[in-house]
Amino acid sequence: DSGVTQTPKHLITATGQRVTLRCSPRSGDLSVYWYQQSLDQGLQFLIHYYNGEERAKGNILERFSAQQFPDLHSELNLSSLELGDSALYFCASSASGGGGQETQYFGPGTRLLVL
Amino acid sequence: GNSVTQMEGPVTLSEEAFLTINCTYTATGYPSLFWYVQYPGEGLQLLLKATKADDKGSNKGFEATYRKETTSFHLEKGSVQVSDSAVYFCALSDQTGGFKTIFGAGTRLFVKA
Repeated sequence: DSGVTQTPKHLITATGQRVTLRCSPRSGDLSVYWYQQSLDQGLQFLIHYYNGEERAKGNILERFSAQQFPDLHSELNLSSLELGDSALYFCASSASGGGGQETQYFGPGTRLLVL
Repeated sequence: GNSVTQMEGPVTLSEEAFLTINCTYTATGYPSLFWYVQYPGEGLQLLLKATKADDKGSNKGFEATYRKETTSFHLEKGSVQVSDSAVYFCALSDQTGGFKTIFGAGTRLFVKA
């Protein structure tokens, strides 16, 4: 158990809908990262938040947004969902600002299926 | 931009066989290198890491050496077990990439009893 929790575990929805994925980092960790894992794209970095502020952006679509709240939990919002958004979404956390040597601790993921 | 290339899987081995999973990288700076492992139904977990050239990371019998001259970080284990069956990801992170972690495509390992 990494100490990172994600809810829900599974999500089934329809095209055009909007969903919110939630992540609670390990106790004391200030950074949260979001990743998308799909069969065709592999593991893609989406976005990184540090202590409430956006730190880095990766291949995140405009239809997707995220935020980190004062209690350090984070939410990833996916809107106008398409079939291709079906994937496993991971959250990870690390102790501080995400420097190159930092270990990231991954949650168990949320599996999203868009029908 | 930064990138990581891993050998394609799946790799199928018998128990106690020697394992090598190749990983090469492209980076403009001086990256830290990582191997993560993903067991079925779980998230990724760090297996080992190395932060500078010639460093050797090791954990649970696995090891990898940071080779700057060949831009490689190959994962090795002398004797695999059935419980090592998982997907292995090579990754890098460096300052010029904004410390974004870039992952390879992953290599699935099956170990037969």
